[in-house]
Amino acid sequence: QVQLVQSGSELKKPGASVKISCKASGYTFTSNAMNWVRQAPGQGLEWMGWINTDTGNPTYAQGFTGRFVFSLDTSVSTAYLQISSLKAEDTAVYYCARDSRGTGWYHGYWGQGTLVTVSS
Amino acid sequence: DIQMTQSPSSLSASVGDRVTLTCRASQGISNYLAWYQQKPGKVPKLLIYAASTLQSGVPSRFSGSGSGTDFTLTISSLQPEDVATYYCQKYNSAPLTFGGGTKVEIK
Repeated sequence: QVQLVQSGSELKKPGASVKISCKASGYTFTSNAMNWVRQAPGQGLEWMGWINTDTGNPTYAQGFTGRFVFSLDTSVSTAYLQISSLKAEDTAVYYCARDSRGTGWYHGYWGQGTLVTVSS
Repeated sequence: DIQMTQSPSSLSASVGDRVTLTCRASQGISNYLAWYQQKPGKVPKLLIYAASTLQSGVPSRFSGSGSGTDFTLTISSLQPEDVATYYCQKYNSAPLTFGGGTKVEIK
């Protein structure tokens, strides 16, 4: 069965960096793009972008360029989200979500979410 | 970019009521629309894709319709376990924008 297991909660100070992992199992990792979705406290879902797990090519939504980097380690079927120069407004739950088909489709599988708290 | 607008932002209905949620795209997206359910404190769950195709395992009281710019999610008989926020998402092209959500509560 498809599973996406994310790394644990993080507490960071403003200006620091964080790297969240999303380990996939139960399917061929390079067959489906991996998306990242942000949910700030009490707010809705915000699509951050995706990474093509076959080519490694990322696509970022507006507002998620520069400080946000998607990466992969296909040898361990893991996708990563790195956020640098953290700000208080980056406090949110970050989800990885797998496309149901190749790339640019609806998200049939989701990780459990990783809470990132940015506070001095 | 195409904007996705959901209405109402919240609603309260009685158990057994028929409930209709609306999602509107600022430009046509054919039927490239998905609906997700997020229960309080839980991970979003795919309910419907291609505007009207029910994801496996989703109760048949959920249904979706629409094409182009106007879409609806209908719960034919609201149940207590349907308390959640419902989001639509376009996926015709990037960015795969979500709507703002509709929070459904029991009266």
